[in-house]
Amino acid sequence: GAGVSQSPRYKVAKRGQDVALRCDPISGHVSLFWYQQALGQGPEFLTYFQNEAQLDKSGLPSDRFFAERPEGSVSTLKIQRTQQEDSAVYLCASSLVSSGSPDTQYFGPGTRLTVL
Amino acid sequence: GNSVTQMEGPVTLSEEAFLTINCTYTATGYPSLFWYVQYPGEGLQLLLKATKADDKGSNKGFEATYRKETTSFHLEKGSVQVSDSAVYFCALSGSYSSASKIIFGSGTRLSIRP
Repeated sequence: GAGVSQSPRYKVAKRGQDVALRCDPISGHVSLFWYQQALGQGPEFLTYFQNEAQLDKSGLPSDRFFAERPEGSVSTLKIQRTQQEDSAVYLCASSLVSSGSPDTQYFGPGTRLTVL
Repeated sequence: GNSVTQMEGPVTLSEEAFLTINCTYTATGYPSLFWYVQYPGEGLQLLLKATKADDKGSNKGFEATYRKETTSFHLEKGSVQVSDSAVYFCALSGSYSSASKIIFGSGTRLSIRP
């Protein structure tokens, strides 16, 4: 079966441009997460959706970052007026929520964003 | 807040050597603990997990035991192979929700010499 897919895989933006990163989760997965991974670091949480509801956006670094999942499936992470410090790999993960212990998250390949 | 501290790399070993990558955590309650692996050019993959104290997670010859008394989750393998070369991340997720964010360590790069 298909895993989590992300597009584009690579994005180069000039400082000040807006970008949109797409995530297609595993079909039927209720939960969707976005993470940011700087070079040489572990991923850091950005935001979390359960279906179309954004339940936690505590990790978004500024109001330039915005995420949506309008129909509870595909999600888009938008970064407005990109800055050089936004350069990172953006990872999407999905999980099938269970009623028990924290569920396994399946990660996509990531989008590598470079801001010049 | 919750955090994970893992052994800094890079770690370089010869094939068939014994591997230990140390990981300790700080968390309230009873988190689940994970090891994720990132092979060159690939995405993050779950290697193993443990959801309660004294549980042992295992996969592909790797093992880690959830030690609440020492707040540790060290990764071990008895005989490493060149194909184990990758970056390994220790991680935890929250105690009380069924779907919650993962907090990752900074990663340990492992290189295995033939």
